[in-house]
Amino acid sequence: AQSVTQLDSQVPVFEEAPVELRCNYSSSVSVYLFWYVQYPNQGLQLLLKYLSGSTLVKGINGFEAEFNKSQTSFHLRKPSVHISDTAEYFCAGGGGATNKLIFGTGTLLAVQP
Amino acid sequence: GAGVSQTPSNKVTEKGKYVELRCDPISGHTALYWYRQSLGQGPEFLIYFQGTGAADDSGLPNDRFFAVRPEGSVSTLKIQRTERGDSAVYLCASSLGGLADEQYFGPGTRLTVT
Repeated sequence: AQSVTQLDSQVPVFEEAPVELRCNYSSSVSVYLFWYVQYPNQGLQLLLKYLSGSTLVKGINGFEAEFNKSQTSFHLRKPSVHISDTAEYFCAGGGGATNKLIFGTGTLLAVQP
Repeated sequence: GAGVSQTPSNKVTEKGKYVELRCDPISGHTALYWYRQSLGQGPEFLIYFQGTGAADDSGLPNDRFFAVRPEGSVSTLKIQRTERGDSAVYLCASSLGGLADEQYFGPGTRLTVT
């Protein structure tokens, strides 16, 4: 069975500070990993994805994530956040014979001035 | 171009009633997905279609839930004998086909069962 865990329900950070949102997964099959963002009153939007190859993945809006197979992690990072990055961030995984995604419970990134 | 659209945006119904939720995917997308998002939770997979057929319906919680996609485009999620626990935001997504392809999400339908 697959599972995705986001241990931090909320991460407060000051504007222009770096941030890391944590994601751990478990899977018995090769896994694809994704980060989605949900801005207030908007739909989910893909930030980045890991399929294979380079373990460092760059996405939109200056975000990046690193796939770490030994630690079963896929943490999301940004070196300097803006107020506009305030949103809910979801880690998701999938693999095997199905296209379904398993989502974590989400992390609210709250950027303060 | 147009994204994924869902109607209605909000639906309030009484316990025991039947409801239908509609999803219009992006044109040309062969895969269509339904998820359910409860307050404070991440989206929970319900079912996905490849073309007209349900490729994986393992997330449907019970036989009160049913979904169709008769012509391989628009899909309808049907819920019979609604219960208060069915209250959630129902999300639809579509993609070109494979798991590696980006899933584009609609704005969701907020279902409230009173």
